[in-house]
Amino acid sequence: SQTIHQWPATLVQPVGSPLSLECTVEGTSNPNLYWYRQAAGRGLQLLFYSVGIGQISSEVPQNLSASRPQDRQFILSSKKLLLSDSGFYLCASSWDGELFFGEGSRLTVL
Amino acid sequence: DQQVKQNSPSLSVQEGRISILNCDYTNSMFDYFLWYKKYPAEGPTFLISISSIKDKNEDGRFTVFLNKSAKHLSLHIVPSQPGDSAVYFCAASEYRTDKLIFGTGTRLQVFP
Repeated sequence: SQTIHQWPATLVQPVGSPLSLECTVEGTSNPNLYWYRQAAGRGLQLLFYSVGIGQISSEVPQNLSASRPQDRQFILSSKKLLLSDSGFYLCASSWDGELFFGEGSRLTVL
Repeated sequence: DQQVKQNSPSLSVQEGRISILNCDYTNSMFDYFLWYKKYPAEGPTFLISISSIKDKNEDGRFTVFLNKSAKHLSLHIVPSQPGDSAVYFCAASEYRTDKLIFGTGTRLQVFP
């Protein structure tokens, strides 16, 4: 089975500061990896997905970016946070048509 | 454009009764559907799935129904228990591809 680690679990950042959320996956190789954001009224919104190292697809235009420097590592970043970036961010990995999620990272931008 | 919609943001049900959560989709290419359950500050966990070759799938207290002509699916929980109180998301994809599109979620509250 897969285990997904996400950190930090909670983050409070000022507007204009950078962001780095990290996700690592255990128990599988060459996984497809995803970043989702849970926002009020929008459910779980797919932000990025990656099918391999260095391969990133962006689903929505936004202030965020993603990188996959290693097979089982997925990073969500921003150079300058906006208030609207506040939310609950979830990393996910897929297997056999299902997504398995990490515990999530709560980001508050002040 | 919200391809997967859950029009009821919340639902309140008495313990022991049936909970019915509904989901509608617009993309006719979707043919694999899942339900996830989510507690606050946790990642969603998989509940049950159904592919388009079926119209019903059952797992214990949970049953998912699919009506392809109406582009509608529903999750039935019988009997409902207080521990079922959570947010439920439906999700859809083109068959067994990994990119799931989620609905907006329905918060279920089961009271004694």
